[in-house]
Amino acid sequence: NAGVTQTPKFRVLKTGQSMTLLCAQDMNHEYMYWYRQDPGMGLRLIHYSVGEGTTAKGEVPDGYNVSRLKKQNFLLGLESAAPSQTSVYFCATDELDGDTEAFFGQGTRLTVV
Amino acid sequence: GEDVEQSLFLSVREGDSSVINCTYTDSSSTYLYWYKQEPGAGLQLLTYIFSNMDMKQDQRLTVLLNKKDKHLSLRIADTQTGDSAIYFCAESLTGGFKTIFGAGTRLFVKA
Repeated sequence: NAGVTQTPKFRVLKTGQSMTLLCAQDMNHEYMYWYRQDPGMGLRLIHYSVGEGTTAKGEVPDGYNVSRLKKQNFLLGLESAAPSQTSVYFCATDELDGDTEAFFGQGTRLTVV
Repeated sequence: GEDVEQSLFLSVREGDSSVINCTYTDSSSTYLYWYKQEPGAGLQLLTYIFSNMDMKQDQRLTVLLNKKDKHLSLRIADTQTGDSAIYFCAESLTGGFKTIFGAGTRLFVKA
C-alpha cells in the first residue's frame, strides 16, 4: 500500500520553464491538496480538489494550475517557473470528516534558478 | 483573519519533557491537530483534539486546549532523540478541507 506518492522528488528548473508534479493516491480519498512549504511560513494551500473533475483555488494559487482527471491523481503544473516558486511541494489526501487523518506525500523539492 | 502561530525552535535534553505551544485566531475551529515532520519526509498526524475537549492523552503525548485563550499545547514526556523533528500545529475550520497550518516548531533533543 503506497499511500501518497509524489513524482519527481527533486527538480531544478530554469526561469520560464514549465513542469508538472504528479500526486498519486491509492486510498480512494475524495479530497486532494497541493501545499507549498517555505521556511518560517508553514504549509500554504495552493489548490485543492473535492473529487474527480473538480479543482479549486487555495491560499496561493497564482502561477499554478491543477487537474484532477482521475480520482487517484492530482497534477500541479507550473507554466512558466519563477524563482519565487522555489519551495518544497507536498500533496495530501483525506476524507471530508475533520477527525480523519490527512496523508502526505514525501514532498518535491523544486529549485528555480 | 485566520492564523496559527507557534515558536520556531525548542531544545530539550533527552529524558526531559517537551512542551510545544500554539495559538490560533479562529474561534470557529472544530478540530486542532499536531503533525510531525521528520527530515526529508511528509507530515504525519500525531494526534488531534476536538474543540469541545480540554485534554487528550495518548501514551507519551498530552494535548491541552484552552479554548478561551485559543491556546493549544503538545507535551511529550520522556523526550527521546527520535522525537527530533518539526511539529506543526493546525486548525480545521470546516470539518476537513480547509486546514490552516502553523510555521512549525523544530524540536532539538540533546543526548
